[in-house]
Formats: sequence, structure tokens, C-alpha cells
Amino acid sequence: DQQVKQNSPSLSVQEGRISILNCDYTNSMFDYFLWYKKYPAEGPTFLISISSIKDKNEDGRFTVFLNKSAKHLSLHIVPSQPGDSAVYFCAASGNYGQNFVFGPGTRLSVLP
Amino acid sequence: DTGVSQDPRHKITKRGQNVTFRCDPISEHNRLYWYRQTLGQGPEFLTYFQNEAQLEKSRLLSDRFSAERPKGSFSTLEIQRTEQGDSAMYLCASTGQSTYEQYFGPGTRLTVT
Repeated sequence: DQQVKQNSPSLSVQEGRISILNCDYTNSMFDYFLWYKKYPAEGPTFLISISSIKDKNEDGRFTVFLNKSAKHLSLHIVPSQPGDSAVYFCAASGNYGQNFVFGPGTRLSVLP
Repeated sequence: DTGVSQDPRHKITKRGQNVTFRCDPISEHNRLYWYRQTLGQGPEFLTYFQNEAQLEKSRLLSDRFSAERPKGSFSTLEIQRTEQGDSAMYLCASTGQSTYEQYFGPGTRLTVT
């Protein structure tokens, strides 16, 4: 049973446009969420996080939105750049960071 | 500090052999995690250390798997009697006391033939 779902395996976006990556979770005990980016042959790189006490967090071109009632979060990248092409993972924790549950990832391709 | 390092980067072994991987976390980080990642999936949590104490283990971590973190510094993950299903990328991550942001190493890719 997947507790963290990323239902779009892939997404293609034109350079300069907005990329929206979605993540759904089933466990209402999750209270901290993170997004990671992964290039081939590298480990995941932390991008941005959000606590359940917030509904939005911004860091430069990256914004994460959390809708607790819908158990849904999304990552917005504006404007998208070719260097953003990577696999993006959503992760969630519910016990003070003792373990994290990752989604299966969404492959983003930003086309020049 | 150059970040989290893992050794070796690649390991090919025959079924039934034992393998050991090493992870060196960022020096000031007291929490260390091991994950396993297979193709098309996200990292799956295996185990977690706070300093030298192993505080949580996933049910994915069978009796053939053991992890240690002596003195709360580097960590090792050993797999005994490897099986073909153990073929995966093994990732290590570390984090500091007051944050949940995990810093990952490059991973060790294990192939069991």
C-alpha cells in the first residue's frame, strides 16, 4: 500500500513556463513533507520542505503548497529551466523525522 | 566538508556472498539513514541511527541485513547471503539535530548475479 503517491510518472514543460508536480498521501499522521530532485547517478538533493502547520512555502523559483484536508501537496517551479530536468520525489514523515516515506517520483523534462 | 560519501560506488557479487557498504555522513550530523532504491521507485527506508543508537528498522530489513554506526560516526550496512532480489541502489543520508532536511550520498549500486 503506497502511502505517498505521485500519479504522473512523467511531465514535459516548455522552458519559461510553470511546472506543477503533484503528490498525494494517505496517512493523516504525516506532518512534514519534503521535495527532492535527483539526477542520474547521483543521490537525491533536497529542494524544499513544508510543515503541516503551513500551507505554502517559497524558496526562489520553487513553491510548495499543502492542502491537508485533501492530503495533497504540489511543487511549482516558475520559470522552468532546462537544468530542472530530473526526477522529483515527494517524501513525508510523521514521527519527528525518524523515517521518511518517498513517492515513486515524477520525471520532469523541460524543453528548450 | 564535502558532503555524504559512500563506498564502494558499485559492487557486483555472486549470490550467496556477503557484502558490506560504508557511509560517511556530514561530520556534524548526528542522524543517519539507510535507504534502498529500485528502478522506477522512490527510496525505501531501511534503518535510522541517532548517534550510535539504531532507533528504527523497517520490516524490509530482514535478518540477513545488519547495520552499525560505531561511535556515532560512519556507518556500515552488511548483507549476508545475498540474493538476486537484493540488487538495488543503497543510499545513505544524514541530517542535523534541528532539521529534517536529509543530505544524501551518491549511493552504492549492488548487482547480485
